[in-house]
Amino acid sequence: ETGVTQSPTHLIKTRGQQVTLRCSSQSGHNTVSWYQQALGQGPQFIFQYYREEENGRGNFPPRFSGLQFPNYSSELNVNALELDDSALYLCASSSGTSGNNEQFFGPGTRLTVL
Amino acid sequence: AQSVTQLGSHVSVSEGALVLLRCNYSSSVPPYLFWYVQYPNQGLQLLLKYTTGATLVKGINGFEAEFKKSETSFHLTKPSAHMSDAAEYFCAVSALGGATNKLIFGTGTLLAVQP
Repeated sequence: ETGVTQSPTHLIKTRGQQVTLRCSSQSGHNTVSWYQQALGQGPQFIFQYYREEENGRGNFPPRFSGLQFPNYSSELNVNALELDDSALYLCASSSGTSGNNEQFFGPGTRLTVL
Repeated sequence: AQSVTQLGSHVSVSEGALVLLRCNYSSSVPPYLFWYVQYPNQGLQLLLKYTTGATLVKGINGFEAEFKKSETSFHLTKPSAHMSDAAEYFCAVSALGGATNKLIFGTGTLLAVQP
């Protein structure tokens, strides 16, 4: 069973640019959640996708957007990058949206905005 | 609304000593509670979770936690620390019956284990 994978591992961008981060969910999982973890902080929920539809969103501006594909992999897109967007971006997949559906996390993508 | 407070951003123990990491939560609905561990440059790994039933939950690597509703706490313990336990630990809450299983995390506790 393949776990959650994310690409790229590291990324450096400049202010104003756009970035796309990718996540492959664990086999059999139909739900993907994205989190932002700033340095020294706990992860913050960005949004969740369930069966290709956005299922919930945290307190992030619209320049954070996403997609989920028929194979349940997902993308996180961030437009007009700001310095504060520098963080570790974590993807997590689960077999459903119930609170007791365990979320399995990928290793993350480290984004640095200069 | 839900929130999690982790008391102590840094905890240092000696190898073989008791580990106690504190977590208090706030939730207007019955919560699901989780402890995750994060090793440097890695994602999060689930240590244990409380959903319903027994309030003392046993997890991996010898960790356990007790759900105390009256104290709104879910502290993590391990009787004897090992060097390999050095990592960052996050407590998280999810809502029973919510539309999503999004996790609300605390700010984390960095555990150092001294030889």
